[in-house]
Amino acid sequence: EAGVAQSPRYKIIEKRQSVAFWCNPISGHATLYWYQQILGQGPKLLIQFQNNGVVDDSQLPKDRFSAERLKGVDSTLKIQPAKLEDSAVYLCASSPLYPPPSSTNEQYFGPGTRLTVT
Amino acid sequence: AQSVAQPEDQVNVAEGNPLTVKCTYSVSGNPYLFWYVQYPNRGLQFLLKYITGDNLVKGSYGFEAEFNKSQTSFHLKKPSALVSDSALYFCAVRDGGRGNTPLVFGKGTRLSVIA
Repeated sequence: EAGVAQSPRYKIIEKRQSVAFWCNPISGHATLYWYQQILGQGPKLLIQFQNNGVVDDSQLPKDRFSAERLKGVDSTLKIQPAKLEDSAVYLCASSPLYPPPSSTNEQYFGPGTRLTVT
Repeated sequence: AQSVAQPEDQVNVAEGNPLTVKCTYSVSGNPYLFWYVQYPNRGLQFLLKYITGDNLVKGSYGFEAEFNKSQTSFHLKKPSALVSDSALYFCAVRDGGRGNTPLVFGKGTRLSVIA
């Protein structure tokens, strides 16, 4: 089974530029999460999708961040314009909507995109 | 609201010695607890989880964790550390009674196993 795919793996941009990240979850996983991991901190949720609908975007800085999952499969996260404090690793994770009875419905993480804003 | 505390930024242990990485949590409903490991330039890898049942949970690579409800703790342990265990470890919690909720992570503990 293929894991969660993310691209690009690394991105360097100047402040005020725009950037987009892409995530392809595990096949069949209805729930998709974007987390932001700043150096020295644990990941923090930005947005959660279930199929193509937003479940939780309360911690997404909506003045500059946007995300979509139009067909309920892959997703893009965009930052426009970027600030220095957006430098972080952006992690995508997915989980099934109806896990097996013995499962906890744990989340599977992609390798992340490391963003550096200069 | 859920929260996780990992009180140690760094844990150093000699190879072959037992290791413990501490975690305490706060959650309003049923705690679903997880440990993840992160190697440099890699994503988070699942180690183990506690949902219900036996308080001692066994996971990947010889790791185990003990759930203590009265102390709201979920410490990660391994009887004999390996140099290859050196990595960043994250404890996470979510409210098990609320469907597909996101994970809340601690800030992480860097484990260094010295040969």
